[in-house]
Amino acid sequence: SQQGEEDPQALSIQEGENATMNCSYKTSINNLQWYRQNSGRGLVHLILIRSNEREKHSGRLRVTLDTSKKSSSLLITASRAADTASYFCATALQAPNYGGSQGNLIFGKGTKLSVKP
Amino acid sequence: DTEVTQTPKHLVMGMTNKKSLKCEQHMGHRAMYWYKQKAKKPPELMFVYSYEKLSINESVPSRFSPECPNSSLLNLHLHALQPEDSALYLCASSRGQGLLADQPQHFGDGTRLSIL
Repeated sequence: SQQGEEDPQALSIQEGENATMNCSYKTSINNLQWYRQNSGRGLVHLILIRSNEREKHSGRLRVTLDTSKKSSSLLITASRAADTASYFCATALQAPNYGGSQGNLIFGKGTKLSVKP
Repeated sequence: DTEVTQTPKHLVMGMTNKKSLKCEQHMGHRAMYWYKQKAKKPPELMFVYSYEKLSINESVPSRFSPECPNSSLLNLHLHALQPEDSALYLCASSRGQGLLADQPQHFGDGTRLSIL
């Protein structure tokens, strides 16, 4: 079942611009992760943010999490042509009986980012 | 280069064939996953192995049969597949599952499977 919904579905920008992608989800989560997938390749983990965190940075990436709105955003600053890929958010659901996660990820539909040189 | 290796990269098989997909990791991870991904769609979880035991089967048809011979290897045995099973099959691993599952998953580049 689908948990995360990204928007926009597709985003086209010029090199050097910032790219923002959003993800909404429905149920309580333990953590939320962002992955990148280049065409024909596997997924690459970008960043993980836990439910008690609000913001996290990694290089040119900035992720925010608002658990009250059940939403997250991924910002890529100073984009490069090499950032062209599909980006997926994935949620690890809160296990009902303890504080950990259920152990499996549910992926959103993804945002296809195209960065033009 | 990925740390999770999947073979073969491409596989074409008929509906009556039996074949296997293989996945290997040497990161000491104790959770391994099979996902199915159709074109322009997100990955969908099929199976999860934790400490070499099957812990999640997402109601996958029995024509897909997973096997975890040891902590580094994961196989997916295929038999009597249907054309709609054509997809990219991704293997992933992570340090653990359950209480340890707030760890990233590491993916292989997948096997692109075509059923004739």
